[in-house]
Amino acid sequence: QKEVEQDPGPLSVPEGAIVSLNCTYSNSAFQYFMWYRQYSRKGPELLMYTYSSGNKEDGRFTAQVDKSSKYISLFIRDSQPSDSATYLCAMTRTGFQKLVFGTGTRLLVSP
Amino acid sequence: EAGVVQSPRYKIIEKKQPVAFWCNPISGHNTLYWYRQNLGQGPELLIRYENEEAVDDSQLPKDRFSAERLKGVDSTLKIQPAELGDSAVYLCASSSLGASGAYNEQFFGPGTRLTVL
Repeated sequence: QKEVEQDPGPLSVPEGAIVSLNCTYSNSAFQYFMWYRQYSRKGPELLMYTYSSGNKEDGRFTAQVDKSSKYISLFIRDSQPSDSATYLCAMTRTGFQKLVFGTGTRLLVSP
Repeated sequence: EAGVVQSPRYKIIEKKQPVAFWCNPISGHNTLYWYRQNLGQGPELLIRYENEEAVDDSQLPKDRFSAERLKGVDSTLKIQPAELGDSAVYLCASSSLGASGAYNEQFFGPGTRLTVL
């Protein structure tokens, strides 16, 4: 079993839809949780990161962490075609710099 | 501010040939990472440097892979000889050394896409 599980998709939605992306994990020591966006032929770029449990909002993006369920989510409101990309969750332990990534979910937002 | 620079962007080689990838991190970033990203997968760490020292190379296949980071700035990752299964995107990332225990954001380069025929 992988430490981090993520549905690879693709997830296809119409423009303006609310998108929900999720990851589950098995290592209870993880404390930092990140969401990266990766466009085709580009490197991942950090969207948001959260320490421990709770919610964090940045514009149209909301990250949620439920440590009791070992489940993290990224919500995108009013999705745009420019949001079409692969979204990678990643996580690490306190004091560690080694990120463990999910497989990534490919999102397609159609006009 | 320039981001992480990698070259070449694409490389096609025959199996058993050697290949090298180069990375220039963001200026002032002490920590440098090499990741491998297979098709349809997330990146996996190969090696992490803090300045010149390789502090985590547990995932580096040492029989054919080597890396160096001279003077604590640029880094080179080498494969010799390459195998078909080495086809992947090789990503370089860098981060600053921040407070102990805190997460320091990793900035990724565009990667080198390697195809081994």
